[in-house]
Amino acid sequence: DGGITQSPKYLFRKEGQNVTLSCEQNLNHDAMYWYRQDPGQGLRLIYYSQIVNDFQKGDIAEGYSVSREKKESFPLTVTSAQKNPTAFYLCASSTDSGSYEQYFGPGTRLTVT
Amino acid sequence: DAKTTQPPSMDCAEGRAANLPCNHSTISGNEYVYWYRQIHSQGPQYIIHGLKNNETNEMASLIITEDRKSSTLILPHATLRDTAVYYCIVRAVSSGSARQLTFGSGTQLTVLP
Repeated sequence: DGGITQSPKYLFRKEGQNVTLSCEQNLNHDAMYWYRQDPGQGLRLIYYSQIVNDFQKGDIAEGYSVSREKKESFPLTVTSAQKNPTAFYLCASSTDSGSYEQYFGPGTRLTVT
Repeated sequence: DAKTTQPPSMDCAEGRAANLPCNHSTISGNEYVYWYRQIHSQGPQYIIHGLKNNETNEMASLIITEDRKSSTLILPHATLRDTAVYYCIVRAVSSGSARQLTFGSGTQLTVLP
């Protein structure tokens, strides 16, 4: 089945620890995205990447880092510098042509205490 | 990208058509209207998109007014599984550009048995 996988579904960490969220896609999409969602809110863009080895900051990049070493993978690291890391994190991918609709993974719910 | 306005919530009886409105009065000529939905605690799902013509697919129909300042998403026979938050998004699409999606608060559709 083609799609986007995120793991794990639930993640718990202590404050002050860095944590890396996984995102893999087998849709052969060039572009990938990370969004954050807080309870009752819409999605906000953290980072996006249009091509391997290139990425741009979104609206709320502070305290996060990403890498794009392979087309299929776009991991997100939530660093200890992120003041409010507890949230629902969503990864998406899209083609770089046509209608550009984005396909989303199931999300990772991160809780930091 | 143009701003969109949606009602915060709507109810619909199971088996009836659900009509979800969206205002986008500042839409530009090169901006498309996209609809996504998000079932609780899942990633958003692409539904449909259009530029100025009405569109239909297996999930829904999209009706865009002639002046393009508003649109309506129609789920022809709503089921309980259609209960979700529905997002209307306006976004310009250009060749070679992977653009982020700007999610507002959306409309919480509740399908009642």
